[in-house]
Amino acid sequence: DIQMTQSPSSLSASVGDRVTITCRASQSISSYLNWYQQKPGKAPKLLIYATSSLQSGVPSRFSGSGSGTELTLTISSLQPEDFVTYYCQQSYTTPYTFGQGTKLEIK
Amino acid sequence: QITLKESGPTLVKPTQTLTLTCTFSGFSLSTSGVVVGWIRQPPGKALEWLALIYWNDDKRYSPSLKSRVTITKDTSKNQVVLTMTNMDPVDTATYYCAHRRSSLGSGNAFDIWGQGTVVTVSS
Repeated sequence: DIQMTQSPSSLSASVGDRVTITCRASQSISSYLNWYQQKPGKAPKLLIYATSSLQSGVPSRFSGSGSGTELTLTISSLQPEDFVTYYCQQSYTTPYTFGQGTKLEIK
Repeated sequence: QITLKESGPTLVKPTQTLTLTCTFSGFSLSTSGVVVGWIRQPPGKALEWLALIYWNDDKRYSPSLKSRVTITKDTSKNQVVLTMTNMDPVDTATYYCAHRRSSLGSGNAFDIWGQGTVVTVSS
């Protein structure tokens, strides 16, 4: 199985800050890396697919980059509604695997 | 517009078999390229992928659960069914079904999710 190591597990930041979340894969996953946002009690929502493509309707402050085994999600200017949990997921091969999640907290 | 909704029991006893149904609209599982998956999330924990079913009835399972999980589809009813045998309290989780993108460059991402259904395993 491909292991996805997501860091940090939690992050304190302020509204307006720029933050980056990283996922490291245990082997190359090409561009098959997706990012999801999950609000408490809700289903995950797709933000970024195929490493860097913005899902329709997602604000442009969200972006993804990277290749191979190190991939990142950047939020350019945090808004109050962004302080929730984020997961990466590799879909290069089954079994699909998710990172452990990053919880964004207000500083 | 694609929608999915999970249904099934909220409480099952240890050793029982869980059957969950995903009823969807806005696409057909008889259309080439369409894929539906199941993912679960124990309380306070991360997401865990369980299974996929393809339009051509191909199936993929999590190796850790392969002996216990079966995924099937009923194209005429627009449903996907997940069956999990020998349930244990550690299987307590919210279970989601999701539509998977399959076009070139799509990243095979789960783009539309159901609302989830909470399953508790307890005697």
